[in-house]
Amino acid sequence: IAGITQAPTSQILAAGRRMTLRCTQDMRHNAMYWYRQDLGLGLRLIHYSNTAGTTGKGEVPDGYSVSRANTDDFPLTLASAVPSQTSVYFCASSEDVSRGYGYTFGSGTRLTVV
Amino acid sequence: EDQVTQSPEALRLQEGESSSLNCSYTVSGLRGLFWYRQDPGKGPEFLFTLYSAGEEKEKERLKATLTKKESFLHITAPKPEDSATYLCAVQSRGHALNFGKGTSLLVTP
Repeated sequence: IAGITQAPTSQILAAGRRMTLRCTQDMRHNAMYWYRQDLGLGLRLIHYSNTAGTTGKGEVPDGYSVSRANTDDFPLTLASAVPSQTSVYFCASSEDVSRGYGYTFGSGTRLTVV
Repeated sequence: EDQVTQSPEALRLQEGESSSLNCSYTVSGLRGLFWYRQDPGKGPEFLFTLYSAGEEKEKERLKATLTKKESFLHITAPKPEDSATYLCAVQSRGHALNFGKGTSLLVTP
């Protein structure tokens, strides 16, 4: 089934630990995105990639890094997790960054930092 | 800076009771306005894209409309399976989507 696969589904992580959230798409979409969703704050953009080999910062990038070595994969790394990074993380993709392409979202990773 | 405000935050309807959700926006150069549905524990699911004022799109019991300042998602004769959180987002200047906080809809039998 075409779409976005995120892993893990959920994780409890000790503060200070490093973690990589995985995101893979099989639709050959050019653009990919990472959002976090928090109660009362909605979806906020962390990082994005308009095409393989390029990345950019979103609204809340601090404490996170990304890479885009190929079209399909867009991992999100927390170098040293803090409790404020407890959230649900969604990866998304779109065919192109130009006008009007809807995003396809993964099912999310629920991360708890303790 | 783009701003998206959705109202109400929560809405409870009886089955068959039609209503509308509002999405007010401020954006520099609207490229598209998007509506998504999100079920608990799942990622948002794309519903509609609207590009210009006056445009309307329909899907089953849902109809989305757009003016220069806001969009409405009209729900006609809703059913319990329409219960979900509905998200509005805007795109400007080729940037990533900027989402509102959503409206949580509950439709009771």
